[in-house]
Parts: sequence; C-alpha cells; structure tokens
Amino acid sequence: SQKIEQNSEALNIQEGKTATLTCNYTNYSPAYLQWYRQDPGRGPVFLLLIRENEKEKRKERLKVTFDTTLKQSLFHITASQPADSATYLCALHGSSNTGKLIFGQGTTLQVKP
Amino acid sequence: EPEVTQTPSHQVTQMGQEVILRCVPISNHLYFYWYRQILGQKVEFLVSFYNNEISEKSEIFDDQFSVERPDGSNFTLKIRSTKLEDSAMYFCASKPYQNQETQYFGPGTRLLVL
Repeated sequence: SQKIEQNSEALNIQEGKTATLTCNYTNYSPAYLQWYRQDPGRGPVFLLLIRENEKEKRKERLKVTFDTTLKQSLFHITASQPADSATYLCALHGSSNTGKLIFGQGTTLQVKP
Repeated sequence: EPEVTQTPSHQVTQMGQEVILRCVPISNHLYFYWYRQILGQKVEFLVSFYNNEISEKSEIFDDQFSVERPDGSNFTLKIRSTKLEDSAMYFCASKPYQNQETQYFGPGTRLLVL
C-alpha cells in the first residue's frame, strides 16, 4: 500500500536560517504532491502543490522540490521566523479518483528567536 | 475568504452513545471528506462524498459510521455507538470540483469518548 514517511523528530532551528523538511514515499507514483501546515488543535492548511513534471515550486519564502526518481520531496522555508513554527504535513492523493489525501505523520518545526 | 466550519468544536460523550459531527463546507464546493487524527498520530482519511453518495471509504469507516448531506449546506458524520478508540480530532474538508487537487479543511471537532 502507499506509504509516506516524514521525519518524525522535531526540527529546531534559529530564526533566519533555512528549514528543510523531507517527505519520502513508496509503492506509488503520484501525479502531484502537496504540503500543508497544521497548527496545534487546528485543521491542515494548504501551502503548495507540485506536479510530477515540475522539479521545483516557489511561493514567497517557501520552496518545494519533487524528485520522482528518488520518490522524495523537500520542503524549504528560507529566512525562517518564529511564526513559521508548526507541523508540516506532506500529502499524496490516493490511487482512486475520489481525491482522498494520504498524509505523512508530519514534521514539527520550532523556530527560535 | 470562505471557510469550512465545524460544530461543535469539542464533544465529550459516554461510550456507546451516538454523536453527530457537523460541517458546513464552502458553498460552491461539491466534493466532501471526513478525516480523523488521533492525538499524536497522522491525519487519516475516513470517507469521501459526492453527488449525495459515498465515493470511497476507508477500513476505519465501518458500519458504526455514516455520513449525510441533509440539506444544501450541512455535511454530517454520525457515529452510532462510540468507542473509546473513536476519541480523536475529526476534520471535514471540501473542494469545488474533481480536478481541483487542494482540499479546504475545517478547524475540526475534538471528540472525547469516556
């Protein structure tokens, strides 16, 4: 079955540095991959989507890469701020066409001032 | 900006009781979903719903669960006889059309079964 792995250990970085989060997947060849942000006790909020034919996608301080050979996506936050502290979820669509999302367990980022 | 809303924000119930979790998706959306997240675990898909019927359900979504769109705005998840292991955050999500990949999530209902 489709499996998504994110680094379950929390990532602690200093304000201003670049945070890099990893998402690996197996048993699947997704047409696209999404990243969501989740704050404690809140629902996921969409950040970025990258398609299989795109190597890189940017939005303001966010950058996502997608390597379909390695079956990996990297999520970067440049010039990180304490407000970026949250859990970041990688999500793939299921193999059916219903649009269901399969989430990784998320990586918690803590940006220290 | 339109948002998905969910009520109640918190629900405490006794084991064996029925609960109904309510969602109001974004008004022009046609595809609806329920997910759950047990504390400290990943967000898990429960069910997808389109055109007044279930389009896909997970193994978690057994006979104790049901969904309904009773009117043009609400989308509900019912758990007939709650179990302790049903304690979780339940998220409703929606999207406007099939080719729209992004889903819009509600703030969730925290369900605690005692």
